[in-house]
Amino acid sequence: EIVMTQSPATLSVSPGERVTLSCRASQSVTGNLAWYQQRPGQAPRLLIYGVSTRATGIPARFTGSGSGTRFTLTISSLQSEDFAVYYCQQYNNWPLTFGGGTKLEIK
Amino acid sequence: QVQLQESGPGLVKPSETLSLTCTVSGGSINNYYWSWIRQPPGKGLEWIGYIYYSGTTNYNPSLKSRVTISVDTSKNQFSLKLTSVTAADTAVYYCARDSTATVAGGLWDYWGQGALVTVSS
Repeated sequence: EIVMTQSPATLSVSPGERVTLSCRASQSVTGNLAWYQQRPGQAPRLLIYGVSTRATGIPARFTGSGSGTRFTLTISSLQSEDFAVYYCQQYNNWPLTFGGGTKLEIK
Repeated sequence: QVQLQESGPGLVKPSETLSLTCTVSGGSINNYYWSWIRQPPGKGLEWIGYIYYSGTTNYNPSLKSRVTISVDTSKNQFSLKLTSVTAADTAVYYCARDSTATVAGGLWDYWGQGALVTVSS
């Protein structure tokens, strides 16, 4: 099974700031990497797939990049609704696996 | 707009079987892959398994010996059974739809709200 590792576990940031979240895979997942956002008490929401393609309705301030085993999610200017937990997920190999998540909290 | 709703007991005793059903509305269960994903309180996400409307299944090896996912296309529902549960199975259980018809892509665009199942005597 591919192990996904996210860092850091928690980020304290201010609204309007730019933030970058990291995700590393234990082996190459080629381009089959997605990001999900989970707000408190809600189901995860698909943000990015194929490393860098935004899902329907996702604002342009969310940008995904990377390749192979190292990936990043950048949020260019944090809005209040962006404070949530973000998970990366590989869908290159079964079983599908998620990272442990990065929580964005308000500084 | 496709909607998914989990239903089932919120409390299960240790060693018993956890049973949940996901009802799909606003769209057909046909031609899509449907997954169960769980999240222990305060922890991350774990994919449990999927089923195709035709009945084809694929399970996470970590749970395979205890999991059965079934589908009832006449009711637009699919179900999860997890046997011999322990406290470690306490989690919010989500049902979700794969984003691309006829493909088990492993990307989920529609999710249920989640059902908390607690394993306790």
